[in-house]
Amino acid sequence: AQTVTQSQPEMSVQEAETVTLSCTYDTSENNYYLFWYKQPPSRQMILVIRQEAYKQQNATENRFSVNFQKAAKSFSLKISDSQLGDTAMYFCAFGGSQGTYKYIFGTGTRLKVLA
Amino acid sequence: GAGVSQTPSNKVTEKGKYVELRCDPISGHTALYWYRQSLGQGPEFLIYFQGTGAADDSGLPNDRFFAVRPEGSVSTLKIQRTERGDSAVYLCASSSLGGAEAFFGQGTRLTVV
Repeated sequence: AQTVTQSQPEMSVQEAETVTLSCTYDTSENNYYLFWYKQPPSRQMILVIRQEAYKQQNATENRFSVNFQKAAKSFSLKISDSQLGDTAMYFCAFGGSQGTYKYIFGTGTRLKVLA
Repeated sequence: GAGVSQTPSNKVTEKGKYVELRCDPISGHTALYWYRQSLGQGPEFLIYFQGTGAADDSGLPNDRFFAVRPEGSVSTLKIQRTERGDSAVYLCASSSLGGAEAFFGQGTRLTVV
């Protein structure tokens, strides 16, 4: 069975600074996807970034990038130039194998961006 | 519709009562997922539909929980004899065949008193 671990319950960062959120996972599968989702107080889960396990190149979406280490089963999220609107819960998720989005989520990291 | 819609947004019910939670997925999305998010936790998978049939219901905690999707679009999650431990946010998501992600609704916060 797959597991996802986020070891940082809370983090804070000054506006315009860079922060890195950690995630480790465990799986015996070889083809899968990893995701970072943002959940603001509205409760809606919003996709931040997605990484295919077969791709060695780290995914990047504007200010968001990942450091994907497949052998170490590590998938961290880096947020550059942090903005107040980045304040939210961030969840790491494993999924997408076998063509489904039966996600396995971590417990989340609460990120607060300080003015 | 433009996004996944869930109703009601909030539901308070008494212990022992029956509740129904509705999910209206993005038009044309064949896959639909239900998740439950307890306070301070990440969402946990409950059930997955492909079309009208439940392809995987391994996450349903017990037989008080049941979900249907009779026409392959709207889905209803049904909870019988509610217990205080059922209090959580119930999230629905949908995806297209071969799509790159699942899209989530804003959830229904269920409170059992």
